[in-house]
Amino acid sequence: DADVTQTPRNRITKTGKRIMLECSQTKGHDRMYWYRQDPGLGLRLIYYSFDVKDINKGEISDGYSVSRQAQAKFSLSLESAIPNQTALYFCATSEPTRTGEQFFGPGTRLTVL
Amino acid sequence: GENVEQHPSTLSVQEGDSAVIKCTYSDSASNYFPWYKQELGKRPQLIIDIRSNVGEKKDQRIAVTLNKTAKHFSLHITETQPEDSAVYFCAARVTSGTYKYIFGTGTRLKVLA
Repeated sequence: DADVTQTPRNRITKTGKRIMLECSQTKGHDRMYWYRQDPGLGLRLIYYSFDVKDINKGEISDGYSVSRQAQAKFSLSLESAIPNQTALYFCATSEPTRTGEQFFGPGTRLTVL
Repeated sequence: GENVEQHPSTLSVQEGDSAVIKCTYSDSASNYFPWYKQELGKRPQLIIDIRSNVGEKKDQRIAVTLNKTAKHFSLHITETQPEDSAVYFCAARVTSGTYKYIFGTGTRLKVLA
């Protein structure tokens, strides 16, 4: 089945380290998103991309960067991790159609000590 | 800015009763309103959605209503069952030049047996 996958699923790191979270999809969707989930705050958009050459900041992009290496791959980087970036991170894809349904990856739980 | 408010943050109901979760959006250009269910430790999954040209949509025990004038939309679950216990998120898709999704902060539903 076509799916959205994320690696790693869990990561513990230290303050100041550089971290990369990876997302791959076999759905053939052009649109990809990175969200952060914190208790009580819902899903907040970090970055989104509508194709390889189109990258856009979301509502909480400070401290993060992204790379769209191919249609199927969208990576999120924390250049210098800090403890308040401890969260659950989700990648998602969607079709550029009127349906608009988003498909989420399984999530990456990141802990910054 | 774009915002989606969701209430209540927690909701407990007896098995068999109905549950209603309400959301309000700020961007009048929003045209697509999905609802996601997230079980513990899992990814969000779409359960129902509605477009701005429709006032109500039903799928078995789940229904969504939309009031465009008031910028409100609601999720209704009837005959609740223990397996309905989860966190529910509403979202609004902003279409003013982009196709990004703004999520509500989530409602934790507990169905008591």
